[in-house]
This record gives sequence, structure tokens and C-alpha cells, in this order.
Amino acid sequence: KNEVEQSPQNLTAQEGEFITINCSYSVGISALHWLQQHPGGGIVSLFMLSSGKKKHGRLIATINIQEKHSSLHITASHPRDSAVYICAVAIIQGAQKLVFGQGTRLTINP
Amino acid sequence: DTGVSQDPRHKITKRGQNVTFRCDPISEHNRLYWYRQTLGQGPEFLTYFQNEAQLEKSRLLSDRFSAERPKGSFSTLEIQRTEQGDSAMYLCASSPRRDTEAFFGQGTRLTVV
Repeated sequence: KNEVEQSPQNLTAQEGEFITINCSYSVGISALHWLQQHPGGGIVSLFMLSSGKKKHGRLIATINIQEKHSSLHITASHPRDSAVYICAVAIIQGAQKLVFGQGTRLTINP
Repeated sequence: DTGVSQDPRHKITKRGQNVTFRCDPISEHNRLYWYRQTLGQGPEFLTYFQNEAQLEKSRLLSDRFSAERPKGSFSTLEIQRTEQGDSAMYLCASSPRRDTEAFFGQGTRLTVV
């Protein structure tokens, strides 16, 4: 079993829909990151969370440390939100390396 | 601050050749990471530098792989005797200290033919 599991793996929605991507993890972490990856490879950090909830524009991220679960929500989705969204956890020991989920490929149709 | 820079962006090489990639982290970021991402998968950790010291290496990093970070600034990742299984995106990330956001480069896409 992977240490970080994301669902769904693929998600297609219509413009304007409310989007939820889920992430569960099984290891001790110092923080959880939500990342966005566009075709071509570049990764952009959206959120870093260690507790509670954060909001940037139409994006909201929550984390429940006790349940080892996080969600990324997109309100009023737009075709430009189409990308791969990756959950990654920073391992609490040592290098604080990131362990990544497989990613969720999101497609928003106009 | 120009972000994390990786060079080259793309590399096609023949099996058995050696390749070297470069990563320039954000200035004054003392933590530098290399990750590898194969098609359809999330990235996997390869190695970590704190300043010039390589403090952690993944078992994915076989003896054909070597990484350096002389003087604690830019880093290089060399793959010797490349194999088709080395084809992947190689990502570099840096951060200024513990418990902070990671900043990623655009990656180097390696294709071994």
C-alpha cells in the first residue's frame, strides 16, 4: 500500500462545478503539500498545511491530522484549472523529504 | 529571485551514454532535493543536500547515479551508462529551512533510446 493515496485518479467536470480531491496518508508528517503540475512538468506549490484549513482565491485545502486525511476543493471551477493535482507529505524525520501521491488529473470542460 | 532553474529541459541520449543535469536553487536556499517522476506517477525522492552535504540518498539511487553540490550552491546529478529505465522527468526542489514550502524547477526530461 502506498504511503500517500489520492482519489480520484481522474476527474472530468463542467465549468462552474465544485471539485473535491482527497488524500490519505499513513506516515508521520510535519506538513502536507498540495501541488499543481501542468503539461511540460513544472510543479507549483498551492498549499502547505500542518493543521486546519487554508484558502487562496477559489482553492481551499483542509487537513485532519487525527484521521490522516486532507482535501483540496476548487470552487467555481474553470477550464484553466485543468492540471494534475498532487498531494505530498513531508516526512517528519531527517530530510523532510516529500512522499507524493500519484496525482489527480483534473479536466474542466467549458 | 528567478526561481529554481534546471538545465537542460530536455535530453535525449543513447543507451550506455553518461548524462549530467544541473540545478540552480533559489539563492540562499540551503536545502536541495532531487526527485524522479516517471510517466503517470508521482515523483519519487532521490537525494537531499543541506548546503554541500549529501545527507540522505534513496535506494533508488543506484551506483550509476551520483549527485554533488559543491560549495552549497548549484547541484549536479550524473547518470552513468544510462539505461532505458532511466527515462523520466528529473525534478529539483529547494527550500530555505525546515518546515517551509518547497520550490520546484521545471524539470529535465530524459529520454534514453
